[in-house]
Amino acid sequence: SQTIHQWPATLVQPVGSPLSLECTVEGTSNPNLYWYRQAAGRGLQLLFYSVGIGQISSEVPQNLSASRPQDRQFILSSKKLLLSDSGFYLCAWSAGEETQYFGPGTRLLVL
Amino acid sequence: GNSVTQMEGPVTLSEEAFLTINCTYTATGYPSLFWYVQYPGEGLQLLLKATKADDKGSNKGFEATYRKETTSFHLEKGSVQVSDSAVYFCALSAWSNYQLIWGAGTKLIIKP
Repeated sequence: SQTIHQWPATLVQPVGSPLSLECTVEGTSNPNLYWYRQAAGRGLQLLFYSVGIGQISSEVPQNLSASRPQDRQFILSSKKLLLSDSGFYLCAWSAGEETQYFGPGTRLLVL
Repeated sequence: GNSVTQMEGPVTLSEEAFLTINCTYTATGYPSLFWYVQYPGEGLQLLLKATKADDKGSNKGFEATYRKETTSFHLEKGSVQVSDSAVYFCALSAWSNYQLIWGAGTKLIIKP
């Protein structure tokens, strides 16, 4: 069966520091991968999606970036965090059909 | 363009009450429709889905029917439990790199 992992689970970072969040999927090949952000009490905002290694589409211009160095690895990064980057970051995958499956999320607090 | 509209929350009910969370959509073509649930502090879980008109998705006592004539996919449950307290998201497929279009989410609070 397929599983999706995210780490870290929780992160507290100062403003201006770098960020790296990792997402890995097991049990499937060539998944579509997604990064979402969920601000407190708000809905989902799609940040990036990827249909293959090295292929990244950005949905929202901001100081975040994403990379897909391996088939089942998706990384969310920032060179300098802003206060507004605080939120709950969710990674998801799909197998080329429509249903998306979500990881447990990373809660980021920027102080 | 494609969009999903959900009823605003929070929705507060007593245990064993009947639940309806409204979801309507705007889409070209024939999208698939989804309900996801997010328990506090967790990621989203697929609750149910329907892929064509008049299909009924069901899971864990929840059900929703794909109504093309009213462009709706309302979530229902006959008798809610405290453990159903969560945020519920309605979504549709955009048929563009398999992105989903999301509703804003509806927070459900069940009181014992």
